[in-house]
Amino acid sequence: GENVEQHPSTLSVQEGDSAVIKCTYSDSASNYFPWYKQELGKRPQLIIDIRSNVGEKKDQRIAVTLNKTAKHFSLHITETQPEDSAVYFCAARGPNSGYALNFGKGTSLLVTP
Amino acid sequence: GAVVSQHPSWVICKSGTSVKIECRSLDFQATTMFWYRQFPKQSLMLMATSNEGSKATYEQGVEKDKFLINHASLTLSTLTVTSAHPEDSSFYICSAITDRGVAQPQHFGDGTRLSIL
Repeated sequence: GENVEQHPSTLSVQEGDSAVIKCTYSDSASNYFPWYKQELGKRPQLIIDIRSNVGEKKDQRIAVTLNKTAKHFSLHITETQPEDSAVYFCAARGPNSGYALNFGKGTSLLVTP
Repeated sequence: GAVVSQHPSWVICKSGTSVKIECRSLDFQATTMFWYRQFPKQSLMLMATSNEGSKATYEQGVEKDKFLINHASLTLSTLTVTSAHPEDSSFYICSAITDRGVAQPQHFGDGTRLSIL
């Protein structure tokens, strides 16, 4: 089945700096790659997603890039703020996974003022 | 739009009891619902995929007789943890999609925190 690897597991940046989280996936048939932000005890919140026919997508301070050939995708957060502190999960989904999301292990992001 | 309601949000019960968790899509028809389990400081692990009107597909290592899933309508799926024990304590989250053939976002419920004493 699909295997999603996520790095780093923890990331600490200063307010205003950029943060980058990277994920790789194993199933070349995967065609949908969302990123979720999860605060303690709450549901995962979709922050951005990208489909396999697109290489890059941006939404204000958040961007995602996808390299289908290398089977990796990355989340970029610019001008980080303390409220960006949370756990971020990448995921991959495709027909071979029954359209269920396969999650990475998560990255705990801490933005210090 | 695309709201998924999960109930209850918190359950504390004695070992050996059964607990039912409901997952409802409030403003859309969910062709497929998914059940995940999340232990503290860990990722979401898929337990099973549930399609309306058919038997759930369980992931390897998940006991189907212990975690009963019913998806009787396009807006409701239930997960029953039978004869729950302390090791079943976890955060259970459901999600739903409207169309399996298209890369649509997955909509998550708020989760149920289950604590077995």
